[in-house]
Amino acid sequence: SAVISQKPSRDICQRGTSLTIQCQVDSQVTMMFWYRQQPGQSLTLIATANQGSEATYESGFVIDKFPISRPNLTFSTLTVSNMSPEDSSIYLCSGTEETGGYGYTFGSGTRLTVV
Amino acid sequence: DQQVKQNSPSLSVQEGRISILNCDYTNSMFDYFLWYKKYPAEGPTFLISISSIKDKNEDGRFTVFLNKSAKHLSLHIVPSQPGDSAVYFCAANFYNQGGKLIFGQGTELSVKP
Repeated sequence: SAVISQKPSRDICQRGTSLTIQCQVDSQVTMMFWYRQQPGQSLTLIATANQGSEATYESGFVIDKFPISRPNLTFSTLTVSNMSPEDSSIYLCSGTEETGGYGYTFGSGTRLTVV
Repeated sequence: DQQVKQNSPSLSVQEGRISILNCDYTNSMFDYFLWYKKYPAEGPTFLISISSIKDKNEDGRFTVFLNKSAKHLSLHIVPSQPGDSAVYFCAANFYNQGGKLIFGQGTELSVKP
């Protein structure tokens, strides 16, 4: 399965600023996703990153707050905009070559702390 | 609405014994169920999956059982090893809805020597 490199691995940011997280996949994947894991909670899907078009956001997440780019089949970015302490979470990207029961690979995550 | 639930936040097991992690779901339309293992500071790693048309899948020390009538699945690890200590997430997906995964809250497994 694909290997995903995610960076930065962690960051501490001031409120009101923005952070862009990058994911690079070592092979082409058909689908990429961005998740958030708040402290002590499950992984929650933010959006599906669509190649060459606007991402598809889940309920409760909006493009102005979490703009996503996916210029090709191996790369995607998530920006956390105008950050507040409530955005402190682990952010994870995921990719898969298929939508079946296997093949979903995750990046190592970005631990974001907003102060 | 939590569609996938893991009601036990933690589980402690002796090395060599069986670990049983449980997961319940509410939506009977899920097509696949997956188990992921997560160490601190790492992304989740795929362990094993099961199609909704099966009731058991086995891979080495890991076996997943699916009880569709009860909307319940479980992961059995036999024998448990200290290296199995991690957070385990169950997840489900809809094949025809873009493949996105819906995760449970996770169960932290501790295997004691």
